[in-house]
Parts: sequence; C-alpha cells; structure tokens
Amino acid sequence: EVQLLESGGGLVQPGGSLRLSCAASGFTFSNDWMTWLRQAPGKGLEWVANLNQGGSEKYFLDSVKGRFTISRDNAKNSLYLQMSSLRVEDTAVYYCARDFKGAFDSWGQGTLVTVSS
Amino acid sequence: EIVLTQSPGTLSLSPGERATLSCRASQSVRNYLAWYQQKPGQAPRLLISGASSRATGIPDRFSGSGSGTDFTLTISRLEPEDFAVYYCQQYGSLPRTFGQGTKVAIK
Repeated sequence: EVQLLESGGGLVQPGGSLRLSCAASGFTFSNDWMTWLRQAPGKGLEWVANLNQGGSEKYFLDSVKGRFTISRDNAKNSLYLQMSSLRVEDTAVYYCARDFKGAFDSWGQGTLVTVSS
Repeated sequence: EIVLTQSPGTLSLSPGERATLSCRASQSVRNYLAWYQQKPGQAPRLLISGASSRATGIPDRFSGSGSGTDFTLTISRLEPEDFAVYYCQQYGSLPRTFGQGTKVAIK
C-alpha cells in the first residue's frame, strides 16, 4: 500500500523559513515523479512544484519561484520542500503526492503551514 | 496558464439520483484531465485520469468523458458516501491547474 507522510509544518512569521518532509513507502520511490500541492483554508487545490525521479528536472508555480526549493533523497525515500521568504498567502495545508503521468494518484494527509505575525 | 471552470458550484441531489458535473478548459488539454473527490478533513482522492479511466478501486458508478476543452464527471446513482467536493485538474501543460470545485450536497 502506498503511504505518504508529511511533516514539518507549523507557525512561522512572514519572511521566515520552513522545511517540509514527505516520507514515502509501499512503492519504488525512485521510479516516480513527485509533487507538492497546497490548499489554503476553505479554498481549492493548487499545484506548487514537482520533481523528476533523479532530482534533475523541477518545475514551480510562478508565485513560489525563487522562494521554494524541491528536492528528494531516494536512499531515504523522502521528498522535501524548502520554503523561504514566506508570505501570509502561503498559509495552507501542504500535500505531497505521487505524480502518475501528471495526475496525482496517491496523497499524504497533509501538513499545515501558518504564516502569521 | 490553463484555467478550468467547473459548474455548477453546488449540486443538491438525493441519494440514488444521477450527478453530472462539468469542467471547461480555457484551451485544449487533449485528454489530460483528472477528477478528484475530497471529503472534509481528508486529502483528495483520484477518481479519473485520462479523462475517462477510473483509478484503482473506484466504483463503476463514476465515469468521465470529454476531450479538448469540455469534460464531464457522471455519478450514475449517488451513494451516501459520494457527497463531497469534486475537482477537475489538467495536466496538459505546466503549471498543473485545478478547477474551483463542485460541491455535491444532500438535498
């Protein structure tokens, strides 16, 4: 069974940084693209970034370019999202998901990031 | 960026009825369209990819159709567990984008 478990969320001040982690199990992690998505409170879903199997190809939502970095450690079956220069509008539940040819077939339970002073 | 517009915003139906949800893209996404179901406090669940292919374990009362810019998700007979929010998502180009969601509510 595919399992994805996010961690690292919390309360951070505007301008601060946070690193999210996603631990994967139940599938061959190194074979798949992986993605971060987010959902602001009471709002819809938003794709944030994705990363190819080897970590060499990555894409970002325009509003997070230059502030967020996505990476992975295939030896540890883990995906990461390094977030800096955080803004109030980055407040959301952040999900990691397995990228199935562009659709997202497995999701974690999410971790809440709150950016507030 | 491709904009997806879902309609209606809310669909009020009774168990056993048929639900028809629409998703329209601002430009062609070919058949690179997925549908998700989300219940309160839960992560989304993939229902349909490739516009019409059910994901593993999804009941056959869920079906998807369409190509290009117009897509439909049909739930043939609503079960109590089907009342939720449904999102469409395109993966024809980056950034991946979602519709704003359709809530299927109990009438």
